[in-house]
Amino acid sequence: EIVLTQSPGTLSLSPGQSATLSCRASQYVTNNWLAWYQHRPGQPPRLLIYGASSGATGIPDRFSGSGSGTDFTLTISRVEPEDFAVYYCQQYVSSPYTFGQGTKLEL
Amino acid sequence: EVPLSESGGDLVQPGGSLRLSCTASGFTFRNYGMNWVRQVPGKGLEWVSGISGSGATTDYADSVKGRFTISRDNSKNTLFLQMNDLRVEDTAVYYCAKDRGLWIQLWFFDNWGQGTQVTVSS
Repeated sequence: EIVLTQSPGTLSLSPGQSATLSCRASQYVTNNWLAWYQHRPGQPPRLLIYGASSGATGIPDRFSGSGSGTDFTLTISRVEPEDFAVYYCQQYVSSPYTFGQGTKLEL
Repeated sequence: EVPLSESGGDLVQPGGSLRLSCTASGFTFRNYGMNWVRQVPGKGLEWVSGISGSGATTDYADSVKGRFTISRDNSKNTLFLQMNDLRVEDTAVYYCAKDRGLWIQLWFFDNWGQGTQVTVSS
């Protein structure tokens, strides 16, 4: 099983600042098969990034993903008020299709 | 975004059973794999189970293997999760989630329902 470890656990920022979220895998992530999701309270998770760096449909360009191998990053270039949420990475290399424990972006 | 709507969540005693449903619209249901993902209160997301578009292939997390069964009725655009021998640790919000891949399962999820609450308690 591929274990994903996200850091930091909580990130406190103000609107307009940039956010850098990390996801580290316990094994090599083949083909960069890693996705990022945003999860706001009371709403379903929302796909942001897949393939480590490809933006999902309708996602603002302030969200970007990078990385390869075992280390991946989600960057939010200018945090907007609606971006305060929990962010999860997920690997889809092999079953079970595991998620990280999440990073909470708070105001 | 395509509408996915779960139902069937309830309060059930340990050892009991429950059947979740997820109705889909806005896309050709049979062309996409579907999944169940859960969120335990105060914790993160856990993939539970997935099924191919035809229903021929299924997969499960070890934590539910042998107790849960995923299935689908493509004539009714509906996904199911039969949950048997429920445990306290199965308490969670259960989401159905559509696979991103057309005709092939990619195992990441581009649309999610609002979720249904399952509580296992005596």
